[in-house]
Formats: sequence, C-alpha cells, structure tokens
Amino acid sequence: SQTIHQWPATLVQPVGSPLSLECTVEGTSNPNLYWYRQAAGRGLQLLFYSVGIGQISSEVPQNLSASRPQDRQFILSSKKLLLSDSGFYLCAWSKGLASTLGDTQYFGPGTRLTVL
Amino acid sequence: AQSVTQLDSHVSVSEGTPVLLRCNYSSSYSPSLFWYVQHPNKGLQLLLKYTSAATLVKGINGFEAEFKKSETSFHLTKPSAHMSDAAEYFCVVSAWETGRRALTFGSGTRLQVQP
Repeated sequence: SQTIHQWPATLVQPVGSPLSLECTVEGTSNPNLYWYRQAAGRGLQLLFYSVGIGQISSEVPQNLSASRPQDRQFILSSKKLLLSDSGFYLCAWSKGLASTLGDTQYFGPGTRLTVL
Repeated sequence: AQSVTQLDSHVSVSEGTPVLLRCNYSSSYSPSLFWYVQHPNKGLQLLLKYTSAATLVKGINGFEAEFKKSETSFHLTKPSAHMSDAAEYFCVVSAWETGRRALTFGSGTRLQVQP
C-alpha cells in the first residue's frame, strides 16, 4: 500500500529565516506530487505540482519554491520567510501522468508552520 | 472555469441525527467530484468520489453522496451522526481547465456534533 510522509509536523520560524519542508511517498512509482497551503479558516490553495523529477509547475506567484530531486521526494523551500507564509502545508500524491492531475489525491499529515 | 460552493460554513447536529452537508458545483465538462474530511491538525482523508458511474456514491464511515446533474449538486449525507464525525469537510471538483485537469476545493464546512 502507499503511504505519504511529511516532516516536520510543526515548525516555528522567525521572519527572514529559510524553510525546507519535505514530503516522501512510498509504495508507488512516478506519482504526481502536490504542495498545498491551508491558511487559518480557509480552504486549500494549490502552490505547486510535479509530474516528474525536476518538473515543477507553480500555481501562484509567491515567496516559495519547490523541487523534486527524486521520484518520490518533494521539497518546499523558501530563502526568507514572511509572516504571511504561516499556515498548514499539505503534500499530496496521485497516480502519475499529466493527464491524471485531476484524479484522486491522497494527502499527507501536514506541517503546521508558524512564522513569528 | 470550474467552481465549487459549499453552502454552509458551519453545521451543527445532535448525535444520532442525520447529517446533510451541501455542495454545488459548476463545470463546463463532465466532472469528477470528491468529498474529503479533515480532523484538526490532520491531513485530508478521502470519504468518497464520483466518476460518472452510479450517481449515488457510498463512502467510508457511513457517508454517501448523490450526484444530481440537473441541480449541479453533490450533497453529503449520513443517516446518524457520531461524535467522531466532528471535523471539517471539503467538496472538491475535478474537470478539464486550460488544457489540463485540475482540482478545485470548496471552502469547507465545519461539522459539530452535540452529545
């Protein structure tokens, strides 16, 4: 069966510090991978998605970047955090191929980021 | 462009009474529809999905949803609420948009279950 891991679970960072959140998927190959942000009391916003190693698509302009150095690893980064980067970050995967981007997505446990 | 509207931001029911969470969608093409549940500080868990097969979809934990094309609705129901059902629920639509399929999430409905 497939599992998805995210770490850390919680993170408190000062404004201006760097960020690295990691997501890994087990039990599947060539997944589509996604990063979402969920601000307090709001729905989910898609930040990035990836259909393969080194292939990253950004949905919204922002202070964040994403990388996919390995097939089942997806990293969310920032060089300098802003207060507005606070939120709950969710990684998700779905079966591979660009044509299946809208198929069922399976979510990780999330990372709660607080920027002070 | 596709969109999804969850008609209630909060729903409160008593334990043992029926649950109805309402969702309306807009899509220019035959959509797939999903309901996810999120418990506090947890990821989203798939409850059920509709993908153009039977219009009445049964999910986990006793939930079901009915796809009504004429009403563009996909309401989530459960005959009898349990305390453990208290969570946030998201309705999601998937359809072709600008050359690719994309998911659009509703803003969520918070379900409270009173003892």
